[in-house]
Amino acid sequence: DQQVKQNSPSLSVQEGRISILNCDYTNSMFDYFLWYKKYPAEGPTFLISISSIKDKNEDGRFTVFLNKSAKHLSLHIVPSQPGDSAVYFCAARYGGSQGNLIFGKGTKLSVKP
Amino acid sequence: DTAVSQTPKYLVTQMGNDKSIKCEQNLGHDTMYWYKQDSKKFLKIMFSYNNKELIINETVPNRFSPKSPDKAHLNLHINSLELGDSAVYFCASSPDPTPTQPQHFGDGTRLSIL
Repeated sequence: DQQVKQNSPSLSVQEGRISILNCDYTNSMFDYFLWYKKYPAEGPTFLISISSIKDKNEDGRFTVFLNKSAKHLSLHIVPSQPGDSAVYFCAARYGGSQGNLIFGKGTKLSVKP
Repeated sequence: DTAVSQTPKYLVTQMGNDKSIKCEQNLGHDTMYWYKQDSKKFLKIMFSYNNKELIINETVPNRFSPKSPDKAHLNLHINSLELGDSAVYFCASSPDPTPTQPQHFGDGTRLSIL
């Protein structure tokens, strides 16, 4: 039973445009969300996070939006660059201070020059 | 300098064998993790150690035994390997156990069971 869902396995965007990656979750007890980026043959790299008490967090070209009522978050990349081409994983935390991270299956983003 | 390094990068072995994967981090972190990414691409936590003590042990067969000789190392030993163990195993570390702390991942060990 997937608690964190990334329903789009892939996304293709033109360089300079906006990339929007979506993530849905089912567990209302999740209180913290993170996005990781992964290049082939490398481990995931932390990108940006958001607490459930916020609805937006911005870091440079990357913005994460959280809609708690819809149990939905999205990652916006503006402007998209070819180097952003990677697999993006959404992750959510539940439980206490040592709660586990639950990862989605990832979305492969391709940014075309 | 690699922050989280795992060896080997690739491991091909026969069913029934015993194998180990090593992980070392030079970030000075207190907490280390093992994750498994299966054929469906889900990344699932297996174990977490904080200051050499086991703090998370997900539902993993007891053929998998982690060992943390010190804070900088977390090795994974697997006994009696099965076909279903084929996956990519990632080691990670973070400053402390709170998952809100970004985790730093190694590049993975691709385990293939023949």
